[in-house]
Formats: sequence, structure tokens, C-alpha cells
Amino acid sequence: DAGVIQSPRHEVTEMGQEVTLRCKPISGHDYLFWYRQTMMRGLELLIYFNNNVPIDDSGMPEDRFSAKMPNASFSTLKIQPSEPRDSAVYFCASSHRPRDNQPQHFGDGTRLSIL
Amino acid sequence: AQKITQTQPGMFVQEKEAVTLDCTYDTSDPSYGLFWYKQPSSGEMIFLIYQGSYDQQNATEGRYSLNFQKARKSANLVISASQLGDSAMYFCAMREDYSGNTPLVFGKGTRLSVIA
Repeated sequence: DAGVIQSPRHEVTEMGQEVTLRCKPISGHDYLFWYRQTMMRGLELLIYFNNNVPIDDSGMPEDRFSAKMPNASFSTLKIQPSEPRDSAVYFCASSHRPRDNQPQHFGDGTRLSIL
Repeated sequence: AQKITQTQPGMFVQEKEAVTLDCTYDTSDPSYGLFWYKQPSSGEMIFLIYQGSYDQQNATEGRYSLNFQKARKSANLVISASQLGDSAMYFCAMREDYSGNTPLVFGKGTRLSVIA
């Protein structure tokens, strides 16, 4: 079975540019999570969706960040305008309804560098 | 207050030896789940093992086992017979009210280095 697929794997862009990160969850998973990982702050939850509906976006750092899930098989995380402090690894994860021993399955991440 | 605390930023272990990675957690919820993930240098996050708060026995998965001490709120990961490929970051995570729909909260991680 295909895992969570993220694109691009690496993104280098100049500050002020719009950045769009993409995620395809595992088929049948109805929860999708976006995380950001930095050395200073570790893994932070940005936002998560249930059945394509955003449930909690309290982790989104600023209005420059937005996320959408137009259908069950696709989500985007957009940063506009981007800043150097947004440089991080961004992970998408998906799961069935988070109960019992259901882990979240992670994509390989997008390593974002804002110059 | 931190929900998940991993007090060991880095650990070294000799190949073929066992190693314990510490994790303590903080919750007042009687229902919760604890997870360990491995992140090798290539960057992906790999699920290793799970322990539920109501599980009577410690979880085991191959060379991984969880030393679950509920009263002390600790869920230490034990890796037996360490291999060079075990060198990675290890993250402890918790989901409160695991019958609900809360996401995982992660600790800061422990970097394990296995020495030949």
C-alpha cells in the first residue's frame, strides 16, 4: 500500500515568495495532520482535518499560513509571503479515527529553506 | 507544562547491547495512548510501538519493548540487541482520550548512537 505522499521533498525559495506544500494521505484515512519540525521547537502540530474539515488550526503560527483539504485525497499547506524563520521540515501524517492503537502514518516530509 | 518529557538529548550504546530511552508524560485523563517513533537521518518518521493506558501488559514489538510504569507516568522504550541501524532520533508521543480524536503530542526526542 502507498504511504503518505508529500511533495516536493525539498524546496528552496527566496523570502516573500509563496510556497505550497502538498500531501496525499493514505487511502481510507479520515484524519490528516500537518506538523512542522525545527531544532528549536521540535515537532509542532499546525493543523488537522477530519473528513476534509479543519478541526483545530490553533497551531498555525500566523495568518501567512493556510491549509486546505479540498477532497479526501489531497491537502495543501501554503505560506504567503514566506520568511526565513519558516525554514523547517514540514510533515503530513494521516490516520484512521485516532482511537486505540491507531498510529499516525507520516510522509517523508518537505525540507523547506527560505533564503 | 510539557506533556511529554524526554530527558536524554543523546545516548550512546554499544552494538548488541540493550538500551533504555526515557519518557515521562503528564496527563489527568484516565484514557490515553503512548507511541514511540524512530526518525533516522533520512528524515522519515517510523512508528515503532504503542501502549494503551488500560493495557495490562507491557507492549513488545520484536526488539522493541515498552517499560510502562503507570503510577510513575513513564513509558520507557527498551531496544534489545542494538544494531548500527538503530542509530536515529527517537520520539515519545501521547494521545489523550484515545477514544476521541485528539492528535499526538510529541517529546523533544533522544538521539541514539550505536557504536560498533
